[in-house]
Amino acid sequence: AQTVTQSQPEMSVQEAETVTLSCTYDTSENNYYLFWYKQPPSRQMILVIRQEAYKQQNATENRFSVNFQKAAKSFSLKISDSQLGDTAMYFCAFMGSGGYSTLTFGKGTMLLVSP
Amino acid sequence: GAVVSQHPSRVICKSGTSVKIECRSLDFQATTMFWYRQFPKKSLMLMATSNEGSKATYEQGVEKDKFLINHASLTLSTLTVTSAHPEDSSFYICSVSRPEAAQGTQYFGPGTRLLVL
Repeated sequence: AQTVTQSQPEMSVQEAETVTLSCTYDTSENNYYLFWYKQPPSRQMILVIRQEAYKQQNATENRFSVNFQKAAKSFSLKISDSQLGDTAMYFCAFMGSGGYSTLTFGKGTMLLVSP
Repeated sequence: GAVVSQHPSRVICKSGTSVKIECRSLDFQATTMFWYRQFPKKSLMLMATSNEGSKATYEQGVEKDKFLINHASLTLSTLTVTSAHPEDSSFYICSVSRPEAAQGTQYFGPGTRLLVL
């Protein structure tokens, strides 16, 4: 079974600064997908970024980028120029490439962006 | 705009009653929907995978007779919590995979907060 570990329960950053959230995972599969989801106080889950394991290039979405280290099974999220609206719970998630694969979530990291 | 809707957004019921939660995909057909449960300040736990026209696939430890799932159409899945008890109080979230989206990507509904008194 796959596991996803987020070792930082809480993180704080000041507005405009950069912060990195950590995520490691364990799997025996070679092809899979990794995700970062954001859950703000409204509790609506929002997809932040997606990475395909067979792609070596790190995914980026505007201020959000990942550092994907397949051999180390690490998938960290970097948020640049942090904004107050980035305050949320961030979940790292794993999905295998099989037809019946489902999402496995980490425990989450609460990010607080302060003025 | 929103891709997935849930109704109701919050519900309070008495212990022993049943509650139905609806999940709709708004602009596409979804053969597969997912139901999650989230306790306060905790992560999402997959309860079951809802398959249109067939029985749902439940995760280990989830009582299928208590959490009834019906996926009667390509745009609607329902979760019914039968004979609800206070320990069933939680936040329930559904998600859908869009056919044209990148593989593995799921879009989540806004969630339903259930409080059983």
